[in-house]
Amino acid sequence: GESVGLHLPTLSVQEGDNSIINCAYSNSASDYFIWYKQESGKGPQFIIDIRSNMDKRQGQRVTVLLNKTVKHLSLQIAATQPGDSAVYFCAENRGSSASKIIFGSGTRLSIRP
Amino acid sequence: DAGVTQSPTHLIKTRGQQVTLRCSPKSGHDTVSWYQQALGQGPQFIFQYYEEEERQRGNFPDRFSGHQFPNYSSELNVNALLLGDSALYLCASSLDRVDGYTFGSGTRLTVV
Repeated sequence: GESVGLHLPTLSVQEGDNSIINCAYSNSASDYFIWYKQESGKGPQFIIDIRSNMDKRQGQRVTVLLNKTVKHLSLQIAATQPGDSAVYFCAENRGSSASKIIFGSGTRLSIRP
Repeated sequence: DAGVTQSPTHLIKTRGQQVTLRCSPKSGHDTVSWYQQALGQGPQFIFQYYEEEERQRGNFPDRFSGHQFPNYSSELNVNALLLGDSALYLCASSLDRVDGYTFGSGTRLTVV
């Protein structure tokens, strides 16, 4: 069935390095994608989003890339810090604005000192 | 500006019992969605409420029901609890036709 998922359940990076978290989706009609960060004991926190009419979008220390040809998106975190430790979800918003969100299974990012 | 508030934060129930979880949306938001997050998994959409009516529903049985009040707050009710209902229940609010949810910190439900 249609799904959105993540490539790796865990990712370990050295503090100060860049992190890249990947995600694949199957529904070619998907037009809005969101990355969330979830810290222990908290709900998902919005990081950045991108619409299908864009290939790249940048925020503060984060960049999302969307490749519609291969149905892949990635989240890049520059100069990874200890506070970036969390589970990261890519999610797809299906239907009209603010309708249901389909989450992937998440990647746990850990930072090595 | 208060974000999304959920209560209680933790709850332990026995199989077969019923539970009610509560959510107050972020100020200015009129739409409330509920998600179930099992341990180690991504949140799964349960349903969404707008204008006091269920507007969308995910693949959850009728044991899961909800309500939205005129002040936009919402309740999630689960009847005949099963062990498999143990999860983190997340409430998310949004403004209709505007992208983006704000999530609460969730209610951790344990069914024993």
